[in-house]
Amino acid sequence: GIQVEQSPPDLILQEGANSTLRCNFSDSVNNLQWFHQNPWGQLINLFYIPSGTKQNGRLSATTVATERYSLLYISSSQTTDSGVYFCAGDSGNTPLVFGKGTRLSVIA
Amino acid sequence: NAGVTQTPKFRILKIGQSMTLQCTQDMNHNYMYWYRQDPGMGLKLIYYSVGAGITDKGEVPNGYNVSRSTTEDFPLRLELAAPSQTSVYFCASSNRGPEKLFFGSGTQLSVL
Repeated sequence: GIQVEQSPPDLILQEGANSTLRCNFSDSVNNLQWFHQNPWGQLINLFYIPSGTKQNGRLSATTVATERYSLLYISSSQTTDSGVYFCAGDSGNTPLVFGKGTRLSVIA
Repeated sequence: NAGVTQTPKFRILKIGQSMTLQCTQDMNHNYMYWYRQDPGMGLKLIYYSVGAGITDKGEVPNGYNVSRSTTEDFPLRLELAAPSQTSVYFCASSNRGPEKLFFGSGTQLSVL
């Protein structure tokens, strides 16, 4: 099945800094999504982004499906952005496969 | 709108005990999923359902059973709990296939 690799595995930022998280897929990917798991364990769907670019406040995401990767941009980071960011996708008619995540810590 | 609701939030089981994790959604979604998350890892799919009466195995189904008698409910059954089943379990739903997933708040299970 499809393999999902996320980088970096860990990231520490000073409050106000910007960051880019990357997600690579081993094969063509459909239904690509980004999730944030907060420190209390809750999983929130940030973006459903099979292709193109979307923005939601300080967060934006870009997926280049033909090159099998997606990027999540966080601008002007805040302590509330801390947690683990997961990307997930599928290779068609299969359930989503998740990466191992990027653990982000934003320090005041 | 409650979304996806899981119960219980925490549970401790002894080896060999059985239990059912409950999951219900009020969004009229056809697709429902059960994932487990081990410490420091991503989510692994246990079982999924594409509609009432239809279920299928995911990546790690051994030791679990599911049923889907209604659109709203998708319970996960552990028959003989083992320490390897200590994990956090998440239920999720989506409207069509693996499109935008919505997650419940999770059940933290410890088997001792």
